[in-house]
Amino acid sequence: NAGVTQTPKFQVLKTGQSMTLQCAQDMNHEYMSWYRQDPGMGLRLIHYSVGAGITDQGEVPNGYNVSRSTTEDFPLRLLSAAPSQTSVYFCASKHRFGYNSPLHFGNGTRLTVT
Amino acid sequence: EDQVTQSPEALRLQEGESSSLNCSYTVSGLRGLFWYRQDPGKGPEFLFTLYSAGEEKEKERLKATLTKKESFLHITAPKPEDSATYLCAVQGVKAAGNKLTFGGGTRVLVKP
Repeated sequence: NAGVTQTPKFQVLKTGQSMTLQCAQDMNHEYMSWYRQDPGMGLRLIHYSVGAGITDQGEVPNGYNVSRSTTEDFPLRLLSAAPSQTSVYFCASKHRFGYNSPLHFGNGTRLTVT
Repeated sequence: EDQVTQSPEALRLQEGESSSLNCSYTVSGLRGLFWYRQDPGKGPEFLFTLYSAGEEKEKERLKATLTKKESFLHITAPKPEDSATYLCAVQGVKAAGNKLTFGGGTRVLVKP
């Protein structure tokens, strides 16, 4: 099992550019989520999905879109990048929404917006 | 709103020098408290889940304990490979989207 796989590992964007951060998991987890990690802020939830076709906003959703067409994939889209979106982004999954099971994290994408 | 505060921010230890990390939390109702380890350039790696006050869990040189207001991660006789950032997170019963609220972490450096 590869677990949670994120690509790319690093990305530099200019203000206004768009891009998609990829996330795939091979554990047949129903619940998937995106967090961003900033110094002094901890990890914060951006968007989450409780299953294919179902997504919802987290704590800091502005500027990001998501979709979930399959159980395995949960891409995060930045439509018009801003310097405030410079961060490390983590995708995480767990067996099912509502369960106390732990989140399994990918190794992150470090994004810089200039 | 759920809140988590970790202390100290950084900890330098000699190999073999035991110590404890603190995680103070406020939550409307605790569904679970999670400890993660994060190495540089990597994602958080799950260590423990604690559900109720008085619960303890152990893994190698690590032991996590839980009270109604705090959790401690005890590192016994640490080795250099225990160097990492340790993250504490809570999930409250009212957490929208099963959100985890994370603390800022404690960076641990163990010198040989």
